[in-house]
Amino acid sequence: QVQLVQSGAEVKKPGASVKVSCKASGYTFTSYGISWVRQAPGQGLEWMGWISAYNGNTNYAQKLQGRVTMTTDTSTSTAYMELRSLRSDDTAVYYCARSNIVVVPADFDYWGQGTLVTVSS
Amino acid sequence: DVVMTQSPLSLPVTLGQPASISCRSSQSLVYSDGNTYLNWFQQRPGQSPRRLIYKVSNWDSGVPDRFSGSGSGTDFTLKISRVEAEDVGVYYCMQGTHWPGTFGQGTKLEIK
Repeated sequence: QVQLVQSGAEVKKPGASVKVSCKASGYTFTSYGISWVRQAPGQGLEWMGWISAYNGNTNYAQKLQGRVTMTTDTSTSTAYMELRSLRSDDTAVYYCARSNIVVVPADFDYWGQGTLVTVSS
Repeated sequence: DVVMTQSPLSLPVTLGQPASISCRSSQSLVYSDGNTYLNWFQQRPGQSPRRLIYKVSNWDSGVPDRFSGSGSGTDFTLKISRVEAEDVGVYYCMQGTHWPGTFGQGTKLEIK
């Protein structure tokens, strides 16, 4: 069965960076993409970006351009999301979700369990 | 970006009664391949989102048939024929036709 298992909760100071991992199993990793979606406390869902696990192509939300980098390691079927220059409003649960091999049309059929990132001084 | 507008945002429902959530998009969601990439997600308290419906009206595996999706173009609806206790949570529509994918604000379903 398809599973996406994410790394554990993080607490970071403003200005620091965080790197969240998402280990996939139960399917051919390089046949899909991975999207990252975040959810601030009590808020809705915000798509952050997408990476093709086939060729590493990425597409990021405009508001995060320059602060976010998404990568994959096909040898371990793991996707990573790094967010830099953290601010308090980056405090959120970060989810990875299996996506299409192309950025559009977008879909998220399986989700990880989420990683809480808290940014606090 | 395509704006997805859900209504209502809060939905108190009596057990066993039907429920309906509307989702409207600011642009047509018909993709160049003829499909409409409108999905519905359920997020139970403390859990990750779970996809219920894809491409407007297709059930994901394991989704009870009391859930149904319909609509076309810019207007879509998720219906629950008889609400059960396990249906409590927040429901989101999401469009994947246009980059970037965008979600509705969410509709919180609670039991009266």
